[in-house]
Amino acid sequence: GENVEQHPSTLSVQEGDSAVIKCTYSDSASNYFPWYKQELGKGPQLIIDIRSNVGEKKDQRIAVTLNKTAKHFSLHITETQPEDSAVYFCAATSDNYGQNFVFGPGTRLSVLP
Amino acid sequence: DAGVIQSPRHEVTEMGQEVTLRCKPISGHNSLFWYRQTMMRGLELLIYFNNNVPIDDSGMPEDRFSAKMPNASFSTLKIQPSEPRDSAVYFCASRREQAINTEAFFGQGTRLTVV
Repeated sequence: GENVEQHPSTLSVQEGDSAVIKCTYSDSASNYFPWYKQELGKGPQLIIDIRSNVGEKKDQRIAVTLNKTAKHFSLHITETQPEDSAVYFCAATSDNYGQNFVFGPGTRLSVLP
Repeated sequence: DAGVIQSPRHEVTEMGQEVTLRCKPISGHNSLFWYRQTMMRGLELLIYFNNNVPIDDSGMPEDRFSAKMPNASFSTLKIQPSEPRDSAVYFCASRREQAINTEAFFGQGTRLTVV
């Protein structure tokens, strides 16, 4: 089955700096890679996703890159703000019916004012 | 749509008691997931259903845990008897499968404390 690793487990950056979180996956059949943000006391919410036919996707200050050959994908947050502080999870799955979402262990991001 | 609805939001129970967590997925979604989140183990998949049928329950910790999905709009996760180590936040998520993947939507979670 799929196995997703995520690094770092914690990350502190100064407001305005960039943050990068990296994930690796094991199953070459995986072709959908979402990123979730979890704020305190809430459930995870999707912030961006990427499919395997695309190498990069950007949405305002966040972007995700995918390297299928190396089986890794990364989340990039630019111009970080205090409200970006949260736990971020990556996940990997395939578009076969009945597939599971396998999540990474999470990264706690702290943006220092 | 109101999103994925979980109840209760908080549950405190004594060791040995039965606990039932409830989930109403988003209408039209045909996959439902139960996750457990703890500081030590992160977000663990317990079981997931596709079209109301359990597909993979290998994440269910032991026989004390059971889950049902009697219809497309309701699922339960039951722990009997509960133990202090079951204390965690339990999340339900749903998604609609189609040829192209769609995201999983999470509920707000149920924080379970077993004393």
